[in-house]
This record gives sequence, C-alpha cells and structure tokens, in this order.
Amino acid sequence: QVQLHESGPEVVAPSGTLSLTCAVSGDSINNYFFFWIRRSAGKGLEWIGRVYVTGSTDYNPSLESRVTMSVDTPMNQISLNLRSVTAADTALYYCAATRANTEMVIEYWGQGSRVTVSS
Amino acid sequence: DIVMTQSPDSLAVSLGETATINCKASQSLFYSSNGKNYLAWYQQKAGQPPKLLLHGASTREFGVPDRFSGSGSGTDFTLTISSLQVGDVAVYFCQQYFFSPYTFGQGTRLEVK
Repeated sequence: QVQLHESGPEVVAPSGTLSLTCAVSGDSINNYFFFWIRRSAGKGLEWIGRVYVTGSTDYNPSLESRVTMSVDTPMNQISLNLRSVTAADTALYYCAATRANTEMVIEYWGQGSRVTVSS
Repeated sequence: DIVMTQSPDSLAVSLGETATINCKASQSLFYSSNGKNYLAWYQQKAGQPPKLLLHGASTREFGVPDRFSGSGSGTDFTLTISSLQVGDVAVYFCQQYFFSPYTFGQGTRLEVK
C-alpha cells in the first residue's frame, strides 16, 4: 500500500508562500488521487483540495485563489503551494490519498507537517 | 459548501458502554441513482493522522471492529461505538464526499468516564 511523507519549512513568514512536498512510496503514483488536508485549532479538519496524476485539480473555493497543487511523476511526489499566508494558515498539513478506482474518501494519510505562520 | 455539524462536541462514556455520535449535513448526501450515502467517519487518536472507519455511511473498512457501526441516510447520520474500550479514546470526524469541497464535521472528542 502507499506511504506518504510530508516535508517542508516549519515556519513561514506572513505574506509568504507555504510550500510542502509529499513523498509517495510503496505503489505507483498513477493509482491514486492525492489530497491536502489541514487541521488547525480553530477550524478542525479542512479539505484543501485534490490532484490527480494528469494534473487535474479541484480546490476548496475558500483557498482557490492562493493554492496550487501539482504532481511530479518522475520524482514520485506531490506538492502544495499556498501563497499570501496569514496566521490563520497555521496548521498541521496532511498529505493523503485514495485509490483512483474507489470513492473519494481518505484511505491513506501521512503523519502531517506542522507549519506556523510567524515573523 | 455543505456544512457538517456533529453533536455532541465531546462526551464521556464508561468502559463497556455505548457511545453515540451524530452528524447532520446541511443537504442530502443520498444519491438515488445508486442508493448510496456519501458519508464517511474517521477516528483520530492523539499524535496520529485520522483513520478511515466507515464509508457509505455504514460500510466498515477492512480491519475495523464490528463494535463500530454507522447508520442514517440523507442528512442525519450516527456513529455507534459499542463495548467501549480505552483504545477508542479519540476525536471522531464525519465527512461528506458528495460535493466538493468535501467538508468535515467539527469533531467529537470521546473520553472514558
């Protein structure tokens, strides 16, 4: 089964860009939809968006103007960029996945990458 | 967006007893063409990522004990945990995956009394 491991800076300055990478192992990246989900103290679990190997994306409208997700197939990794961050973007960010031929529930989760927005 | 509201926010149940968590969607999650409800339940223990327990409102994932059961249809759903064990202490979330964005409930914290 697929394993997911997030990495990236732990602190991002206000108005900067949050950039995270998710390393995918254990199975072909082509077999999954990938998600980014965050959990913050104030808002519980928030679905950021979804990306597929074709480059097709589906973003949460509340974040769509600031978010970009992409798939790097040769590197077997997924990326998240969130621009113009504020303190409200401080959260534990999860990379997650589901098999492409199943329902859009979250079957597999990384351990999460904690990001704090602070100067 | 579909708003998911869980109740209660927290509850404490004695070991061996039954815990009941409710989840209400702001619009129906039932698709009449296939008879499915697009509702999932997750368990998140401290320091761990969430774990998928059930999908389709009532279908348990492989390896999930049958003490965990889901019911409901349309807009009202319930997660029932029978014979509560210490290992069941966690925050439980419902999620709708009918319409994007696939929103979550705010979570219900389950503790042992």
